[in-house]
Amino acid sequence: SQQGEEDPQALSIQEGENATMNCSYKTSINNLQWYRQNSGRGLVHLILIRSNEREKHSGRLRVTLDTSKKSSSLLITASRAADTASYFCATRHFSGGYQKVTFGTGTKLQVIP
Amino acid sequence: DTEVTQTPKHLVMGMTNKKSLKCEQHMGHRAMYWYKQKAKKPPELMFVYSYEKLSINESVPSRFSPECPNSSLLNLHLHALQPEDSALYLCASSQDPRTSGTFQETQYFGPGTRLLVL
Repeated sequence: SQQGEEDPQALSIQEGENATMNCSYKTSINNLQWYRQNSGRGLVHLILIRSNEREKHSGRLRVTLDTSKKSSSLLITASRAADTASYFCATRHFSGGYQKVTFGTGTKLQVIP
Repeated sequence: DTEVTQTPKHLVMGMTNKKSLKCEQHMGHRAMYWYKQKAKKPPELMFVYSYEKLSINESVPSRFSPECPNSSLLNLHLHALQPEDSALYLCASSQDPRTSGTFQETQYFGPGTRLLVL
């Protein structure tokens, strides 16, 4: 299975509600990042949390990291229709002698106006 | 300028064609990446260039040939592709890996080239 797996695969909420997405991974990591992708477009970096950090905030975003459970969550508060996109976690880790970034399976978020 | 540009935006090619995808950044980044993304799937790393030298090749078939002619440009040459190679091809860049001792975390992505192989 993949280094990063996210749940739920899809999430539909009303505008103003909070959205929570989870990411689980398998190997030790240096850091974990969250990216956003609008349909068929490039990815935009949202937030990075290092392996020695437990929680980080950026605007309406809150990320937590539990290295003992190898999991992270992304919370978007007071969601807006413009938040509709796919969200990917990405872990930086060693693989085959190199540092690599591996993307999770993604959560597709729909925010209904 | 924090933009990564990719051309063309869309490309349709036959299995016998030769085409190239182009990527450009002017942020002074010395690491550049090619990713392949199939529909409803996450991006998959193909190649990493560091200081214009290929540092990671994720066992990509030889019908994909990357090239980094200078620190701002990254090309992906395509030849004899298969229909299953149809995908969104994303380019990304990140800061100087030698300064941080590793590849700088934040990658800046271009909008991608949507490729259809007939």
